[in-house]
Amino acid sequence: DTAVSQTPKYLVTQMGNDKSIKCEQNLGHDTMYWYKQDSKKFLKIMFSYNNKELIINETVPNRFSPKSPDKAHLNLHINSLELGDSAVYFCASSFGRGRGTEAFFGQGTRLTVV
Amino acid sequence: RKEVEQDPGPFNVPEGATVAFNCTYSNSASQSFFWYRQDCRKEPKLLMSVYSSGNEDGRFTAQLNRASQYISLLIRDSKLSDSATYLCVVNIRNNDMRFGAGTRLTVKP
Repeated sequence: DTAVSQTPKYLVTQMGNDKSIKCEQNLGHDTMYWYKQDSKKFLKIMFSYNNKELIINETVPNRFSPKSPDKAHLNLHINSLELGDSAVYFCASSFGRGRGTEAFFGQGTRLTVV
Repeated sequence: RKEVEQDPGPFNVPEGATVAFNCTYSNSASQSFFWYRQDCRKEPKLLMSVYSSGNEDGRFTAQLNRASQYISLLIRDSKLSDSATYLCVVNIRNNDMRFGAGTRLTVKP
């Protein structure tokens, strides 16, 4: 009954590879996010989607391509992985407006590029 | 200027102490405000929402001052289990939640 689930939990891959992370939420939220948490532990927003529409694209390299097939899913595809992409990637969901806009997070995907 | 700024910490306090965290935000049109808690190698989890009237949940009290664009969190009677990183979070506009860098708290016996 996980509210926000993302897979895989761990991902180790070589430089230059392409990989995807999947996220699903069963909370009925209309907004989903991807955040990157680097080694300094700062949570930086990458993307937000509302009802499958891209709202925020926060100066992320175009090697990162989010895809939202429906409002319950937001996947992240990364091309040509670089060492600097190593981080923990968190998916989250919320209602986009009004009261009750707190976000709920998935468990994170720890990506290591070697 | 960062959208959300917090005391960098770390805070090391004895059990039973009272500790306060502060946070400021830059966008005066920001709509909603939260404190999250993140344990080591875990996802952030909502601790409490922050309302203009102030709100309390057990040992935790949150305050919002819109005029000063300032948010605070007070923890009374600290427990060992309160050790974590506390994140100030602001909805600067619809569908856009920004995090502070976090303040690390360690409560010692």
